[in-house]
Amino acid sequence: GAGVSQSPSNKVTEKGKDVELRCDPISGHTALYWYRQSLGQGLEFLIYFQGNSAPDKSGLPSDRFSAERTGGSVSTLTIQRTQQEDSAVYLCASSLSSRLAGYTDTQYFGPGTRLTVL
Amino acid sequence: DQQVKQNSPSLSVQEGRISILNCDYTNSMFDYFLWYKKYPAEGPTFLISISSIKDKNEDGRFTVFLNKSAKHLSLHIVPSQPGDSAVYFCAASGHTGFQKLVFGTGTRLLVSP
Repeated sequence: GAGVSQSPSNKVTEKGKDVELRCDPISGHTALYWYRQSLGQGLEFLIYFQGNSAPDKSGLPSDRFSAERTGGSVSTLTIQRTQQEDSAVYLCASSLSSRLAGYTDTQYFGPGTRLTVL
Repeated sequence: DQQVKQNSPSLSVQEGRISILNCDYTNSMFDYFLWYKKYPAEGPTFLISISSIKDKNEDGRFTVFLNKSAKHLSLHIVPSQPGDSAVYFCAASGHTGFQKLVFGTGTRLLVSP
């Protein structure tokens, strides 16, 4: 079956512009996560969705970042007024159901969106 | 503060030999640990995990060892193959109600023929 897909694969934008990044999780996966990987860093947790609700947004670095998930499926991460420090690879992952499997659920990652802010 | 540390940014090994990748953590609340493998332009792929109630977990050529008292885990790959060349990330999670992974910075493994 299809894995996690993300679009676009690459995005170059000018400082101050808004960007939207999209994630299509594996069908049937109710948990969805966003991470980002800045140059030379590990993956940094941003936000977690269970269904359409986001119980944990603690990783969002500023109020310029927001995310939503509709229909328990597709998620969009929006960055407003982008800054150069937002340049990173943004990764989405999904898992079957963290609520059932607890924290031993396996997360499946998409290929990421490379965001470059000039 | 880096709660999960991979102090070796790179490791080179010959094909057929053992690869040992190391990871240290500081948060004593972590009790589930994972290794992910990442090829260029792809997302990380789950490799193997271990719960804190165990000190070893094996899956084919891959074995993860956990030393809770030292807050240290390691991934052993035996025998190493050129296809194992990738970046390996150590990750940890704890009692957060869901799998909120904290990742290390990765170790790039190069297995030469």
